[in-house]
Amino acid sequence: RKEVEQDPGPFNVPEGATVAFNCTYSNSASQSFFWYRQDCRKEPKLLMSVYSSGNEDGRFTAQLNRASQYISLLIRDSKLSDSATYLCVLRVGNMLTFGGGTRLMVKP
Amino acid sequence: NAGVMQNPRHLVRRRGQEARLRCSPMKGHSHVYWYRQLPEEGLKFMVYLQKENIIDESGMPKERFSAEFPKEGPSILRIQQVVRGDSAAYFCASSPLGDRGAGANVLTFGAGSRLTVL
Repeated sequence: RKEVEQDPGPFNVPEGATVAFNCTYSNSASQSFFWYRQDCRKEPKLLMSVYSSGNEDGRFTAQLNRASQYISLLIRDSKLSDSATYLCVLRVGNMLTFGGGTRLMVKP
Repeated sequence: NAGVMQNPRHLVRRRGQEARLRCSPMKGHSHVYWYRQLPEEGLKFMVYLQKENIIDESGMPKERFSAEFPKEGPSILRIQQVVRGDSAAYFCASSPLGDRGAGANVLTFGAGSRLTVL
């Protein structure tokens, strides 16, 4: 079993739609959780950290369920510019482990 | 304040040649991480270094790959006798304080070095 598992997609959604991604992880010692965004042939960039109580940043909402070992990302009112690959990332000690990413394509 | 600088951005090598990839961390960052991303795949951890120390190299292939982060100058990822399977994007990231400090959780990535082996 992979340490971090994500549905690779692609998720094809129209502009304005709400879309959600899940990510499961196997290491219960994981300390911190993040969503990174990676545009085609570019470097990953931090989108948001994920807190146990859940957190929101504009149109983006992240949730963490430690008991079930999954995190989620919800994007409301999708924009064309949201098209990218979304990487689920967890930290254990000094190590960041990346999921394979979920590809999102927002269509006009 | 320049970000993480990687060079070269693109490198083409023939099988059997050596590839050297360089990474200068963000100013004030003393921890460097190298990741490899094969086409259509996620990022895989390779090695974590501080100045003059390799902290974790559990993701490095046992042969042909080495990394260093000298007291002066950039971190270098060296691949000897490259093979076609080494073709990938190699990303460097840095963080300020490793496991300590408010910024330690977040990695800032460079734009990557794309290696193509012919």
